[in-house]
Amino acid sequence: AQTVTQSQPEMSVQEAETVTLSCTYDTSENNYYLFWYKQPPSRQMILVIRQEAYKQQNATENRFSVNFQKAAKSFSLKISDSQLGDTAMYFCAFMITNDYKLSFGAGTTVTVRA
Amino acid sequence: EPEVTQTPSHQVTQMGQEVILRCVPISNHLYFYWYRQILGQKVEFLVSFYNNEISEKSEIFDDQFSVERPDGSNFTLKIRSTKLEDSAMYFCASSLTGGSSYEQYFGPGTRLTVT
Repeated sequence: AQTVTQSQPEMSVQEAETVTLSCTYDTSENNYYLFWYKQPPSRQMILVIRQEAYKQQNATENRFSVNFQKAAKSFSLKISDSQLGDTAMYFCAFMITNDYKLSFGAGTTVTVRA
Repeated sequence: EPEVTQTPSHQVTQMGQEVILRCVPISNHLYFYWYRQILGQKVEFLVSFYNNEISEKSEIFDDQFSVERPDGSNFTLKIRSTKLEDSAMYFCASSLTGGSSYEQYFGPGTRLTVT
């Protein structure tokens, strides 16, 4: 079974600054994907960024980037130049390649202060 | 942009009653999922559905649960005899096809409260 751990329940960041969310996972699989999902207040979860485990290069999507350390089973998310619209719950998630189900962490609430 | 929709947003029911949670996936998607999140706990996978069959289910998805695609647009989750511990937020999701390379799009959730 796969487990995903997010050790930071809440984080606060000043607008325009950078925040890093941590995620660790445990698996015996070698082929898998990792995801960060964002859930703004009262809205649906949307995919922020995806990383294939076989790729060494860290994924980036505009202001969002990851630091994927496969040996350490670590997958952190960096939000640069934080904006008020980044305020949300962020979930780290894991999926074995060609599987159907996502395994989620407990989530980190990010609050961006003006 | 197409979205997954869910109704109702909040459902209150008495223990032992049957409930049906409804979802309208994105129209050209072929795979459908239900997840749930008990308050204060992680989002958990319940079931995936493709070609009118369950493709995978978790140990949570016991005989009290069933899923159905009754027509070309709806995807439903039925809980036959609700228990207090079924109180949770239920999320529907859909993807163009299965597998990890295809994004799962989530609905806003239905909050189920069993009293």
